[in-house]
Amino acid sequence: KAGVTQTPRYLIKTRGQQVTLSCSPISGHRSVSWYQQTPGQGLQFLFEYFSETQRNKGNFPGRFSGRQFSNSRSEMNVSTLELGDSALYLCASSLEDWGGTNEKLFFGSGTQLSVL
Amino acid sequence: AQKITQTQPGMFVQEKEAVTLDCTYDTSDPSYGLFWYKQPSSGEMIFLIYQGSYDQQNATEGRYSLNFQKARKSANLVISASQLGDSAMYFCAMKDSSYKLIFGSGTRLLVRP
Repeated sequence: KAGVTQTPRYLIKTRGQQVTLSCSPISGHRSVSWYQQTPGQGLQFLFEYFSETQRNKGNFPGRFSGRQFSNSRSEMNVSTLELGDSALYLCASSLEDWGGTNEKLFFGSGTQLSVL
Repeated sequence: AQKITQTQPGMFVQEKEAVTLDCTYDTSDPSYGLFWYKQPSSGEMIFLIYQGSYDQQNATEGRYSLNFQKARKSANLVISASQLGDSAMYFCAMKDSSYKLIFGSGTRLLVRP
């Protein structure tokens, strides 16, 4: 069974640009969540989608947005990039449909975004 | 508010020895799950082990075991018989019913040959 696939693996952008990252979950998984990882702030929750609906959102500005398609694939978009947006963006998928505390999240390898 | 604390930024262990990585947590929710993930230099977060708040026994997965002390709110990871491939960042995380994981700051483990 294929794991969580994130594309692209690396991305270099300049300030002010926008970027779209893609995530394909494990087959059969309907929940997709996104995390930002930086050396200073660690791993922070961005948002979570289930059946094309955003169920929870972290404390990030409106420049960060996402969506989920009917096939559970997800994209996140960052508009008007800032230097501080440079980070590893990790996508995770899980089966869960009721917010169970025992649902394991399976992560992709991430997209390393560098903003110059 | 939920919080995960990992107080060991870095740890060394000799190959074939056991090592304990500390994790304490704080939550007011009676139902929660505790997870440990490994992150090698490639960046992928690899699930290691899970412990539910209502589980009576400590979780074990191969060489990994979780020392769960609910009253002390601690969930330490024990890796037995360390291998060179165990060198990585290790993250403790907690999940309640809000669909998100809250991570600790991580511990970098280096296994010496």
